[in-house]
Amino acid sequence: GQQVMQIPQYQHVQEGEDFTTYCNSSTTLSNIQWYKQRPGGHPVFLIQLVKSGEVKKQKRLTFQFGEAKKNSSLHITATQTTDVGTYFCAFSGSARQLTFGSGTQLTVLP
Amino acid sequence: DADVTQTPRNRITKTGKRIMLECSQTKGHDRMYWYRQDPGLGLRLIYYSFDVKDINKGEISDGYSVSRQAQAKFSLSLESAIPNQTALYFCATSDRQSTDTQYFGPGTRLTVL
Repeated sequence: GQQVMQIPQYQHVQEGEDFTTYCNSSTTLSNIQWYKQRPGGHPVFLIQLVKSGEVKKQKRLTFQFGEAKKNSSLHITATQTTDVGTYFCAFSGSARQLTFGSGTQLTVLP
Repeated sequence: DADVTQTPRNRITKTGKRIMLECSQTKGHDRMYWYRQDPGLGLRLIYYSFDVKDINKGEISDGYSVSRQAQAKFSLSLESAIPNQTALYFCATSDRQSTDTQYFGPGTRLTVL
């Protein structure tokens, strides 16, 4: 079935540096969602992108959906210690269930 | 979200034991899901239910069964637990009117010795 590859698996950054995680699919996606899971917590929905080339911003977070709807990225500007956690992309398949990427675990060093 | 609760939060059991994990929600959502999370593998779907009479297998249903007792309750059973079922289990809900956004419970950490 459809899958997404998420990279990198781990990222360590110094506080104040930028961070980007990528999701790539070999097939066209109908939509992409992003979730954040804090250490010891549960995944929490951040945003959904549906349109080709869509860009959405939430404060220091910028989400993009590729023109071909086969890739997506999450960029965090000037990371803070509160950004620590694992970021997952996910997409809806034909059966209306979500398939998740393997996640990018972000560590922010103070 | 506090609207989705899971019990127990932690469980240690032995190989061969039957285990039931329970999930309840007060969000009024019709769709419920069970996932397992293993390090480096993300979240993998075990079973999902779109309403009380509609239950579907997910990517990794072998060794698991589910019961949708009511719209608000969805339980996951391991009939005979084995060590490689040691994982973090999440229940989630979504609303058919929404865009498949899922709301997760706090998780159950299961250890099978």
